[in-house]
Amino acid sequence: GQQLNQSPQSMFIQEGEDVSMNCTSSSIFNTWLWYKQDPGEGPVLLIALYKAGELTSNGRLTAQFGITRKDSFLNISASIPSDVGIYFCASTGGYYGGSQGNLIFGKGTKLSVKP
Amino acid sequence: DTEVTQTPKHLVMGMTNKKSLKCEQHMGHRAMYWYKQKAKKPPELMFVYSYEKLSINESVPSRFSPECPNSSLLNLHLHALQPEDSALYLCASSHPGTASTDTQYFGPGTRLTVL
Repeated sequence: GQQLNQSPQSMFIQEGEDVSMNCTSSSIFNTWLWYKQDPGEGPVLLIALYKAGELTSNGRLTAQFGITRKDSFLNISASIPSDVGIYFCASTGGYYGGSQGNLIFGKGTKLSVKP
Repeated sequence: DTEVTQTPKHLVMGMTNKKSLKCEQHMGHRAMYWYKQKAKKPPELMFVYSYEKLSINESVPSRFSPECPNSSLLNLHLHALQPEDSALYLCASSHPGTASTDTQYFGPGTRLTVL
């Protein structure tokens, strides 16, 4: 089946450092979504990407939809303590047909920030 | 406004109890979802309602019974649950159609504990 390989699994960084995480797949997707989830809360949508090659920013966050449509990365610049959480990539509209509900998740990247 | 609300925030129930989880959105979305999330794992899709009709049931046990009374509301009725059903239950919504409108927005979740 379709899978998203998200890396790294976890990161422990110093406040102020930049962060980079990515998701790859052997399948082609039409959409890449990046969510952040705090403990005990629901995922919050950070950035949505809809076109191959698209580069989108949201404050200190930047994400890109890979040109091959099989990957995406998320960068966080100048990290702060509130960036702590789990970041999930998710995708829909896979090669074999994406009806709504086919939101496939990566396994998440747990980010820890040391003040 | 991209808000999905869920009640209650926390729920503790015995294995013989009957309870319901509620979800509401006022974004005009016509697709609504229930997910189950275990600790340190990504959300797992349970049900999808599209235009108030059940379109996807991911082989969920019958002790979970979804209901979509109207386009803004989604319920999940619980009966005779098992301790392993303890998890964070997430509701999401989207507007089915193109990739950009099919982006899912999540509620804050209900933390369910089954004793």
